[in-house]
Amino acid sequence: DTAVSQTPKYLVTQMGNDKSIKCEQNLGHDTMYWYKQDSKKFLKIMFSYNNKELIINETVPNRFSPKSPDKAHLNLHINSLELGDSAVYFCASSPREAGWSYEQYFGPGTRLTVT
Amino acid sequence: TQLLEQSPQFLSIQEGENLTVYCNSSSVFSSLQWYRQEPGEGPVLLVTVVTGGEVKKLKRLTFQFGDARKDSSLHITAAQPGDTGLYLCAGPYSGTYKYIFGTGTRLKVLA
Repeated sequence: DTAVSQTPKYLVTQMGNDKSIKCEQNLGHDTMYWYKQDSKKFLKIMFSYNNKELIINETVPNRFSPKSPDKAHLNLHINSLELGDSAVYFCASSPREAGWSYEQYFGPGTRLTVT
Repeated sequence: TQLLEQSPQFLSIQEGENLTVYCNSSSVFSSLQWYRQEPGEGPVLLVTVVTGGEVKKLKRLTFQFGDARKDSSLHITAAQPGDTGLYLCAGPYSGTYKYIFGTGTRLKVLA
């Protein structure tokens, strides 16, 4: 069984469009994340939700809006896509230990290409 | 300024050689994790180190956490082509919910 799944795997779209990426985890974890991996392979956290509550919101344009309908799902909606949004987006989940999340379990990634 | 700096950035070696990857910070981390990422996939957790001075072994991989919990290393003995990938250290930034990734080390092992 897939632990963390994301759809779609590839997303090619034009500038100005709105798109969504979906993520689901069946690990029973309380915390979920969105990361962006740039062309230099640097992974940077964008958002984190714990039990449907937003706990981390990094300096991300407000065109990006996460939504967590329940603790097993965290979706990412992007409005007015720009060329610079092209990247691989990873969803991850983690258990919480002693109040702090740590070990991350990643989905396969969504490669977003904006033309 | 990156909170977790890895070195080297790139490493290309022959099969059978040994190598060490370093992960350094000026900040204390309550724990550090190491991941390996292969092309087209998400990072996969290899190990967690928690205690200063801790050493953990995973087959040919040896992980060490610095005494002050500000640095870590990954040593691979007798590297194999299957070890090829992007190695990432990461950890929860002390006092926050933020999870920080290192700058990454791209390893290529040639047969």
